[in-house]
Amino acid sequence: EAGVAQSPRYKIIEKRQSVAFWCNPISGHATLYWYQQILGQGPKLLIQFQNNGVVDDSQLPKDRFSAERLKGVDSTLKIQPAKLEDSAVYLCASSLDPRAEAFFGQGTRLTVV
Amino acid sequence: AQTVTQSQPEMSVQEAETVTLSCTYDTSESDYYLFWYKQPPSRQMILVIRQEAYKQQNATENRFSVNFQKAAKSFSLKISDSQLGDAAMYFCAYRRTPGTYKYIFGTGTRLKVLA
Repeated sequence: EAGVAQSPRYKIIEKRQSVAFWCNPISGHATLYWYQQILGQGPKLLIQFQNNGVVDDSQLPKDRFSAERLKGVDSTLKIQPAKLEDSAVYLCASSLDPRAEAFFGQGTRLTVV
Repeated sequence: AQTVTQSQPEMSVQEAETVTLSCTYDTSESDYYLFWYKQPPSRQMILVIRQEAYKQQNATENRFSVNFQKAAKSFSLKISDSQLGDAAMYFCAYRRTPGTYKYIFGTGTRLKVLA
Protein backbone atom coordinates (compact mmCIF):
# COMPACT_ATOMS: atom_id res chain seq x y z
CA GLU A 1 0.00 0.00 0.00
CA ALA A 2 1.45 3.34 -1.03
CA GLY A 3 1.86 5.85 1.76
CA VAL A 4 1.08 9.54 2.00
CA ALA A 5 3.13 11.39 -0.60
CA GLN A 6 4.30 14.97 -0.11
CA SER A 7 6.32 17.31 -2.25
CA PRO A 8 8.66 19.03 -2.25
CA ARG A 9 10.81 17.53 0.54
CA TYR A 10 12.66 20.80 1.05
CA LYS A 11 11.98 24.42 0.17
CA ILE A 12 13.92 27.61 0.86
CA ILE A 13 12.27 30.96 0.16
CA GLU A 14 12.74 34.57 1.10
CA LYS A 15 10.30 36.28 3.42
CA ARG A 16 7.28 37.79 1.71
CA GLN A 17 7.47 35.21 -1.07
CA SER A 18 4.75 32.62 -1.59
CA VAL A 19 5.06 28.84 -1.43
CA ALA A 20 2.82 25.82 -1.98
CA PHE A 21 2.99 22.28 -0.70
CA TRP A 22 1.28 19.28 -2.20
CA CYS A 23 -0.10 16.15 -0.55
CA ASN A 24 -1.45 12.95 -2.06
CA PRO A 25 -3.17 10.86 0.64
CA ILE A 26 -3.51 7.10 0.76
CA SER A 27 -6.13 5.96 -1.74
CA GLY A 28 -9.59 5.84 -0.22
CA HIS A 29 -8.76 7.96 2.80
CA ALA A 30 -11.51 10.51 3.33
CA THR A 31 -9.84 12.50 6.10
CA LEU A 32 -6.77 14.63 5.44
CA TYR A 33 -4.77 16.69 7.91
CA TRP A 34 -2.07 19.35 7.58
CA TYR A 35 0.20 19.80 10.60
CA GLN A 36 2.91 22.39 11.26
CA GLN A 37 5.92 21.20 13.26
CA ILE A 38 8.25 23.96 14.42
CA LEU A 39 11.72 22.85 15.46
CA GLY A 40 11.69 21.51 19.00
CA GLN A 41 7.91 21.26 19.16
CA GLY A 42 5.27 18.66 18.47
CA PRO A 43 3.09 18.89 15.38
CA LYS A 44 0.18 21.34 15.55
CA LEU A 45 -2.96 20.86 13.47
CA LEU A 46 -3.48 23.57 10.86
CA ILE A 47 -6.47 22.18 9.00
CA GLN A 48 -8.51 19.00 8.73
CA PHE A 49 -10.59 17.99 5.71
CA GLN A 50 -13.33 15.42 5.49
CA ASN A 51 -13.54 14.64 1.77
CA ASN A 52 -13.39 18.15 0.28
CA GLY A 53 -14.99 19.95 3.22
CA VAL A 54 -13.15 21.68 6.07
CA VAL A 55 -13.77 20.15 9.51
CA ASP A 56 -11.35 22.18 11.60
CA ASP A 57 -9.23 25.18 10.60
CA SER A 58 -9.27 26.95 13.95
CA GLN A 59 -5.46 27.21 14.13
CA LEU A 60 -4.86 28.14 10.50
CA PRO A 61 -3.53 31.73 10.14
CA LYS A 62 -6.07 32.60 7.51
CA ASP A 63 -4.51 35.95 6.65
CA ARG A 64 -1.59 34.17 5.01
CA PHE A 65 -2.33 30.43 4.90
CA SER A 66 -4.84 28.73 2.64
CA ALA A 67 -5.57 25.11 1.83
CA GLU A 68 -7.81 23.27 -0.53
CA ARG A 69 -8.69 19.70 -1.31
CA LEU A 70 -10.22 19.56 -4.72
CA LYS A 71 -12.31 16.47 -5.53
CA GLY A 72 -11.62 15.13 -2.05
CA VAL A 73 -8.25 13.62 -2.97
CA ASP A 74 -5.05 15.68 -3.33
CA SER A 75 -4.52 18.77 -1.23
CA THR A 76 -2.38 21.88 -1.44
CA LEU A 77 -1.32 24.18 1.38
CA LYS A 78 -0.22 27.69 0.44
CA ILE A 79 1.53 30.44 2.36
CA GLN A 80 1.41 33.98 0.98
CA PRO A 81 3.33 36.00 2.05
CA ALA A 82 5.73 33.91 4.11
CA LYS A 83 7.24 35.10 7.37
CA LEU A 84 10.40 33.98 9.13
CA GLU A 85 8.33 32.24 11.81
CA ASP A 86 6.74 30.01 9.18
CA SER A 87 9.99 28.02 9.01
CA ALA A 88 8.90 24.53 10.00
CA VAL A 89 8.15 21.04 8.76
CA TYR A 90 4.70 20.73 7.22
CA LEU A 91 3.27 17.25 7.66
CA CYS A 92 0.33 15.83 5.79
CA ALA A 93 -1.60 12.87 7.18
CA SER A 94 -4.63 10.88 6.08
CA SER A 95 -7.05 8.37 7.55
CA LEU A 96 -9.98 6.30 6.33
CA ASP A 97 -12.30 8.34 8.48
CA PRO A 98 -11.89 10.74 11.43
CA ARG A 99 -11.81 7.91 13.98
CA ALA A 100 -9.26 5.75 12.19
CA GLU A 101 -5.52 5.82 12.65
CA ALA A 102 -3.78 8.60 10.75
CA PHE A 103 -0.81 7.85 8.51
CA PHE A 104 1.77 10.57 8.03
CA GLY A 105 3.88 11.62 5.08
CA GLN A 106 7.55 12.56 5.34
CA GLY A 107 6.79 16.24 5.40
CA THR A 108 8.15 19.32 3.68
CA ARG A 109 10.85 21.26 5.46
CA LEU A 110 10.36 24.98 4.79
CA THR A 111 13.07 27.51 5.53
CA VAL A 112 12.18 31.19 5.25
CA VAL A 113 15.21 33.51 5.08
CA ALA B 1 -8.40 22.74 26.27
CA GLN B 2 -6.50 19.50 26.19
CA THR B 3 -2.74 19.58 26.72
CA VAL B 4 0.00 16.96 26.53
CA THR B 5 3.24 17.31 28.49
CA GLN B 6 6.48 15.45 27.97
CA SER B 7 8.91 16.57 30.65
CA GLN B 8 11.98 14.71 29.38
CA PRO B 9 13.52 16.53 26.39
CA GLU B 10 16.16 13.82 26.01
CA MET B 11 16.80 10.31 27.31
CA SER B 12 19.64 7.85 26.83
CA VAL B 13 19.65 4.08 27.15
CA GLN B 14 22.22 1.37 26.66
CA GLU B 15 21.52 -1.12 23.92
CA ALA B 16 19.51 -4.11 25.25
CA GLU B 17 18.44 -2.16 28.34
CA THR B 18 14.97 -0.84 29.22
CA VAL B 19 13.89 2.79 29.16
CA THR B 20 10.66 4.55 30.13
CA LEU B 21 9.44 7.78 28.53
CA SER B 22 6.95 9.88 30.48
CA CYS B 23 3.82 11.66 29.34
CA THR B 24 1.04 13.42 31.20
CA TYR B 25 -2.08 14.99 29.74
CA ASP B 26 -4.91 17.15 30.85
CA THR B 27 -8.50 16.67 29.74
CA SER B 28 -12.02 16.81 31.07
CA GLU B 29 -13.20 14.22 28.55
CA SER B 30 -13.81 10.59 29.50
CA ASP B 31 -13.53 9.07 26.04
CA TYR B 32 -10.28 9.46 24.15
CA TYR B 33 -7.26 7.72 22.64
CA LEU B 34 -3.61 8.06 23.56
CA PHE B 35 -0.71 7.32 21.24
CA TRP B 36 3.04 7.14 21.10
CA TYR B 37 4.56 8.07 17.75
CA LYS B 38 8.17 7.67 16.69
CA GLN B 39 9.77 10.24 14.39
CA PRO B 40 13.17 9.23 12.96
CA PRO B 41 15.36 11.69 11.01
CA SER B 42 13.31 10.90 7.91
CA ARG B 43 10.58 12.96 9.63
CA GLN B 44 7.80 10.46 9.01
CA MET B 45 5.65 9.91 12.10
CA ILE B 46 5.29 6.19 12.78
CA LEU B 47 2.68 4.82 15.18
CA VAL B 48 4.30 2.82 17.97
CA ILE B 49 1.36 2.01 20.22
CA ARG B 50 -2.23 3.07 20.93
CA GLN B 51 -4.37 2.98 24.07
CA GLU B 52 -8.13 3.47 24.30
CA ALA B 53 -9.10 5.30 27.47
CA TYR B 54 -11.99 2.95 28.22
CA LYS B 55 -9.66 -0.06 28.32
CA GLN B 56 -8.07 -0.77 31.69
CA GLN B 57 -5.55 -3.20 30.24
CA ASN B 58 -2.28 -1.62 29.19
CA ALA B 59 -1.46 -1.92 25.49
CA THR B 60 1.56 -3.95 24.38
CA GLU B 61 3.28 -4.21 21.00
CA ASN B 62 6.28 -6.53 21.03
CA ARG B 63 9.05 -4.66 22.91
CA PHE B 64 6.84 -1.62 23.52
CA SER B 65 4.33 -1.35 26.35
CA VAL B 66 2.51 1.44 28.13
CA ASN B 67 1.60 2.20 31.71
CA PHE B 68 -1.76 3.97 31.48
CA GLN B 69 -2.95 5.58 34.71
CA LYS B 70 -6.26 7.24 33.82
CA ALA B 71 -6.91 8.85 37.20
CA ALA B 72 -3.42 10.32 37.27
CA LYS B 73 -3.64 11.24 33.56
CA SER B 74 -0.33 9.57 32.94
CA PHE B 75 0.72 7.55 29.89
CA SER B 76 4.32 6.31 29.89
CA LEU B 77 6.05 4.22 27.23
CA LYS B 78 8.42 1.40 28.16
CA ILE B 79 10.86 0.13 25.57
CA SER B 80 12.44 -3.19 26.46
CA ASP B 81 15.61 -4.64 24.93
CA SER B 82 16.42 -1.29 23.31
CA GLN B 83 17.90 -1.43 19.82
CA LEU B 84 19.95 1.08 17.87
CA GLY B 85 17.01 1.50 15.52
CA ASP B 86 14.87 2.78 18.38
CA ALA B 87 16.82 6.04 18.41
CA ALA B 88 14.40 8.81 17.38
CA MET B 89 12.08 11.51 18.66
CA TYR B 90 9.09 10.08 20.48
CA PHE B 91 5.85 12.01 20.69
CA CYS B 92 2.96 11.37 23.00
CA ALA B 93 -0.41 12.32 21.50
CA TYR B 94 -4.00 12.67 22.67
CA ARG B 95 -7.01 12.26 20.46
CA ARG B 96 -10.46 13.19 21.66
CA THR B 97 -13.49 11.15 20.63
CA PRO B 98 -15.95 12.15 19.37
CA GLY B 99 -15.39 15.47 17.72
CA THR B 100 -12.84 16.35 15.10
CA TYR B 101 -10.57 13.57 16.36
CA LYS B 102 -7.54 15.78 15.87
CA TYR B 103 -4.27 14.77 17.47
CA ILE B 104 -2.72 16.95 20.17
CA PHE B 105 0.98 16.25 20.48
CA GLY B 106 3.50 16.78 23.26
CA THR B 107 6.86 18.44 22.63
CA GLY B 108 8.67 15.15 22.24
CA THR B 109 11.51 13.21 23.86
CA ARG B 110 14.70 12.50 21.96
CA LEU B 111 15.85 8.95 22.67
CA LYS B 112 19.50 8.08 22.20
CA VAL B 113 20.55 4.44 22.20
CA LEU B 114 24.17 3.83 23.17
CA ALA B 115 26.05 0.87 21.73
